[in-house]
Formats: sequence, structure tokens, C-alpha cells
Amino acid sequence: VLTQSPATLSLSPGESASLSCRASQSIISSYLAWYRQKPGQAPKLLIYNASRRPTDIPDRFSGYGSGTDFTLTISRLEPEDFAVYYCQQYGGSPPFIFGPGTRVDLK
Amino acid sequence: QITLRESGPTLLKRTQTLTLTCNFSGFSIKTGGVSVGWIRQPPGKALEWLALIDWDDDKRYRTSLKNRLTITKDSSKNQVVLSMTNVDPVDTATYYCARFYCSGGTCLYAFDFWGQGTVVTVSS
Repeated sequence: VLTQSPATLSLSPGESASLSCRASQSIISSYLAWYRQKPGQAPKLLIYNASRRPTDIPDRFSGYGSGTDFTLTISRLEPEDFAVYYCQQYGGSPPFIFGPGTRVDLK
Repeated sequence: QITLRESGPTLLKRTQTLTLTCNFSGFSIKTGGVSVGWIRQPPGKALEWLALIDWDDDKRYRTSLKNRLTITKDSSKNQVVLSMTNVDPVDTATYYCARFYCSGGTCLYAFDFWGQGTVVTVSS
């Protein structure tokens, strides 16, 4: 099971966000990913292997963590960053588990 | 450029069978390490993984839905199909297909490309 906190984060553009994802059991860091889902759109991969960014993701997104605690940090929030963020674990049963999400909305 | 696109019925009645098709381009499911999965999202809720099919035809299903799901591929058509029998209003959701790639030293353990999703409503 993955738990995300907070459920909602109210911030202003230009501020930084710190989102938490906690696993009920220790997981291999490589197996943790983060997605952003804008309203009415499909999720987009932001971070994989806990800390790696796909080539099209800007460096204001960073991920870190190990064991059961992982964090996604977004520095300098842009308008398109006000969305819902999901963490995802690979491995186990089922092989893909998504967290409940954290909503980042405008303050 | 990698793209995926889901298609299927928008409205079903309870107990009917849902068949969704994922047409993709920019990659081949014949390539070692390539898989295509299905994920759904009920209105206002979180993502839920359903099934995955690998390049070598290995298949994995969500345990709680295993008896109702079938995933198949047609490599020549760049297509993956998901069938779900005996649908219920709780199956109302947006259904996404997405690519999973894991080969050799490159494994994201995540879905790197997603389709836009298709909305399915099941009425009682």
C-alpha cells in the first residue's frame, strides 16, 4: 500500500512543493515513480527509479528517498504544475500500485 | 514519436462485455522488453492497474479482476486488446493503455507513454 501526503497542498506560483509517498513495506528505490496528471489529461511520467527524470521533464522536478519514504519536490511552481501527483510502486502483487494522489492547487 | 490511442464503447449495460483496443505507433511490441498495460481511473478517484502483456506474450492481471480480464496482442497491427466480462457500474472509469519498457540495463519500472484515455460508462 502507498500513502501520499498531504492530500491537498495549496500554494502560489513560484513557490516550492514537497510531496510525500510512503510505502507500507520497504521497496527497492528503482521501483518508485511519480506522475503528474493535469485535469482531463492522462498521467505523465515525471520521475522514475525514485530520482531520474525523463529527458523532457524540467529540472525543477526532483525525487529522492529510500526504503519506505520517498519525496517529490517541485521548485518554482509553474501554472501547469497545479495538478494531481501520483506515486507508483513496481513489484509485488499487484505488480503496479498507485498511491491515492496529492492535489496541488492554487492558494 | 510514440503514441498510444484507446478506443471502445462509451456506454455499456451491466453484465455486458467490454472490449477496448489500444493502437500504438513509434514502437513495436515485438521488441524485447516492451510491454503494454491497461490502467483505469474511476471518476474523481486514483489510478488502478488492470493488466499487462509482454513482448513474449507473458500476461499479468490484477488478482481481484483476473477472472474477468483477458489481454491479447496483435503485433502485426500494433494493437493490444483488453476484454472485461460481466461489467458493473463500478467499472465506470477512464481506461488508459500505456507502455512499459524494461530491457537489459534500462528499466524504468514505470509507464513512460500513455494514451489519452477512453471513458467508459456502465449503466445498471
